[in-house]
Amino acid sequence: GDSVTQMEGPVTLSEEAFLTINCTYTATGYPSLFWYVQYPGEGLQLLLKATKADDKGSNKGFEATYRKETTSFHLEKGSVQVSDSAVYFCALSDVGGGADGLTFGKGTHLIIQP
Amino acid sequence: KAGVTQTPRYLIKTRGQQVTLSCSPISGHRSVSWYQQTPGQGLQFLFEYFSETQRNKGNFPGRFSGRQFSNSRSEMNVSTLELGDSALYLCASRPSEGGYTQYFGPGTRLTVL
Repeated sequence: GDSVTQMEGPVTLSEEAFLTINCTYTATGYPSLFWYVQYPGEGLQLLLKATKADDKGSNKGFEATYRKETTSFHLEKGSVQVSDSAVYFCALSDVGGGADGLTFGKGTHLIIQP
Repeated sequence: KAGVTQTPRYLIKTRGQQVTLSCSPISGHRSVSWYQQTPGQGLQFLFEYFSETQRNKGNFPGRFSGRQFSNSRSEMNVSTLELGDSALYLCASRPSEGGYTQYFGPGTRLTVL
């Protein structure tokens, strides 16, 4: 079945540091890929998405590129802020299904120190 | 547009009881999915409803059930609660035409004592 693997952390960085959170996937179909963010006590917010190979999703300074050859969708940000502290989830949705649920990674807890 | 809303936000039940959670999707969205989030298992897909019909179901026991109404609002029911059912239950909606992006509500935190 489909699966998503990401570093779980916690990942601790200083403010203004460069961020990379790795995400790799396995899928039987041709998935759409997503990054969601969860702040304490809240639900999931869509951060960015990509629906086909070589697409780059971006939002709020975060970027991720859909790499079919390496089955990866790594999340990057050039300069993190304290307000970026949250749990980040990589997820996929099987395009062939659409009706299938999202498959999530375990989540990466990011802590940004001032 | 208003986002996905879920009620109640917090719930405490005892083992053996049953519980019903409610979800109102974003206006115009006809698909509603439910997920369970626990520290041990992470985020797991429960089921999806579209136009009042269950389209897909995750690997959960029959104690977990749901339904969707004609206005797209959805309810999830868990019968004979177990301690392991303590979790954050998240509802998500998505547009009916194409689009695999799901938009999540704030969740219902269920504690089973």
